[in-house]
Amino acid sequence: SQKIEQNSEALNIQEGKTATLTCNYTNYSPAYLQWYRQDPGRGPVFLLLIRENEKEKRKERLKVTFDTTLKQSLFHITASQPADSATYLCALPRRLITGTASKLTFGTGTRLQVTL
Amino acid sequence: EAQVTQNPRYLITVTGKKLTVTCSQNMNHEYMSWYRQDPGLGLRQIYYSMNVEVTDKGDVPEGYKVSRKEKRNFPLILESPSPNQTSLYFCASSSRVPLSGETQYFGPGTRLLVL
Repeated sequence: SQKIEQNSEALNIQEGKTATLTCNYTNYSPAYLQWYRQDPGRGPVFLLLIRENEKEKRKERLKVTFDTTLKQSLFHITASQPADSATYLCALPRRLITGTASKLTFGTGTRLQVTL
Repeated sequence: EAQVTQNPRYLITVTGKKLTVTCSQNMNHEYMSWYRQDPGLGLRQIYYSMNVEVTDKGDVPEGYKVSRKEKRNFPLILESPSPNQTSLYFCASSSRVPLSGETQYFGPGTRLLVL
């Protein structure tokens, strides 16, 4: 069955360093992958989308890579700040058997803690 | 301001007492969905709707009902809540079905406790 894996352990890094979060998937061939940020008790907020034909995408201090051979996406935050502390979720679409619709499946997320 | 609203934000109820959580979006989105979020299990889709009067089951639909009579509203109904439905619930919407990477806009969440 289709599965998404994100490191369930929190990632603790020092301010100014680069944070790297991983999203692995199995039994998928997604057309794209999305990353969301979620703060405690709040709804996820969209950050970046990368398509299957793109190797890398950047937005300010954020960078996402997508390796369809390894079935893996890496999410980087450069020059991390305490305000970047949050849980980061990856999400992939699943095309239904009927081919008429799609669901978005989310990973369980990785909590990032940036300390001074 | 473009947003998804949910009400109530917090709810404590007892087993078997019917409840409705409302969801409304002001972005004229066609696609709406409900998720529940539980520790260690992440976000799981309960139901989704591709447009008015078109709804379908997600991954965990048991014990829930939905309706989509108007484009902007997508209420979640628990006919007979049970303690295993204690969770954090999110409503989300996007312009179309998430086939081409459409951004999902999430509501603020409803924390439900069923005693």
